Amino acid sequence: QSALTQPASVSGSPGQSITISCTGTSSDVGGYSYVSWYQHHPDKAPKLMIFDVSYRPSGVSYRFSGSKSGNTAALTISGLRAEDEADYYCSSYTSRSTVIFGGGTKLTVL
Amino acid sequence: EVQLVESGGGLVQPGGSLRLSCAASAFTFSAYWMSWVRQAPGKGLEWVANIKQDGSETYYVDSVKGRFTISRDNAKNSLYLQMNSLRAEDTALYYCASFTIISRAFDYWGQGTLVIVSS
Repeated sequence: QSALTQPASVSGSPGQSITISCTGTSSDVGGYSYVSWYQHHPDKAPKLMIFDVSYRPSGVSYRFSGSKSGNTAALTISGLRAEDEADYYCSSYTSRSTVIFGGGTKLTVL
Repeated sequence: EVQLVESGGGLVQPGGSLRLSCAASAFTFSAYWMSWVRQAPGKGLEWVANIKQDGSETYYVDSVKGRFTISRDNAKNSLYLQMNSLRAEDTALYYCASFTIISRAFDYWGQGTLVIVSS
């Protein structure tokens, strides 16, 4: 099964908003509300930022939000900060009871 | 604070075996599905395997089926990954993570243990 499709990189200036897309199929992203987003800084453990498409775990900033339309999910980060610079991955549960990740997006804060 | 600490990584020859362990603390290990997720050098995250709370259900990515076995010991708060017939493409940082079944999300992660398959 191929990875979910994410842009390789996005960038934005401090204070701006950016959106990262995550495209799958009706067997994963489009078929379930089980889309999650992870932030991954180098040499650190990945961190859950969004689950169930649009819910934030306790402690995650309100600047992070998620959405989904059809087979494409999206992560929006508003009010960009330097510390947001990291790799971001989406994931989805699938019809085969497996989990699939996106290829990852490198966010650069200019 | 929840802690997941992986161990057992190292250098192994192609065709060899390795057993990874993950020790959990400060959370109710037996109440969670658990997972292994890996990241090859310069690549993205890849889900490897899931195991149900009581070990009665396991799921694997196609590329490791028949070669890897996920297991757990709830009495020891430990998760394992037995890796056999290792290939160069299994070289990666292997993370242990808890998998919340309600949301199908990985909420707690360890720091990872590095597996290198090379002759």
